[in-house]
Amino acid sequence: GAVVSQHPSRVICKSGTSVKIECRSLDFQATTMFWYRQFPKQSLMLMATSNEGSKATYEQGVEKDKFLINHASLTLSTLTVTSAHPEDSSFYICSAWGGGSYNEQFFGPGTRLTVL
Amino acid sequence: QKEVEQNSGPLSVPEGAIASLNCTYSDRGSQSFFWYRQYSGKSPELIMFIYSNGDKEDGRFTAQLNKASQYVSLLIRDSQPSDSATYLCAVNGGTGGFKTIFGAGTRLFVKA
Repeated sequence: GAVVSQHPSRVICKSGTSVKIECRSLDFQATTMFWYRQFPKQSLMLMATSNEGSKATYEQGVEKDKFLINHASLTLSTLTVTSAHPEDSSFYICSAWGGGSYNEQFFGPGTRLTVL
Repeated sequence: QKEVEQNSGPLSVPEGAIASLNCTYSDRGSQSFFWYRQYSGKSPELIMFIYSNGDKEDGRFTAQLNKASQYVSLLIRDSQPSDSATYLCAVNGGTGGFKTIFGAGTRLFVKA
């Protein structure tokens, strides 16, 4: 399957700082990427759909000014958590639509964010 | 009604047995169906996808789809302790377009 990388894999920051997470498709071009958040023992929650060259589409209840998404190229999408607070601590996972006929998604390894 | 429903489990099976994981979905127009495996602390990994009624086999895994009943299942033969994980059912297409809707997952525990 297609390979998606994420960086960093783990980040610890102080409350009030901003954190940028990168998501890259390594061996294919991804016009569409997705950002998810997952709290412990809970299901994946789609935050936003990131489309190359256009504004991201956010799910209901997700603050677009807090979670900034940029998809500037066909292989890179970034999620910036602005003014992070302890309640933003979570596992953030990106995925890319591999362009297959059946819209299968391939996930990055995830980024564990801890806000102190 | 949730769009994609799974029994949260845990489902416990002995090593070597067949594990049967079930999923129902509400959007009758859904077209593609996926099974992901997620180990604790890791991101989901695509195991299989199926798009037409019937069975699809890949190694020890068999996906089954019944669109009339809006039901998709995953069978794991000769279950191994390494299969212990959360299995996520996901559907795509229908009114959601290419957005994939995930179930909450079923925890599987394979006892050695």
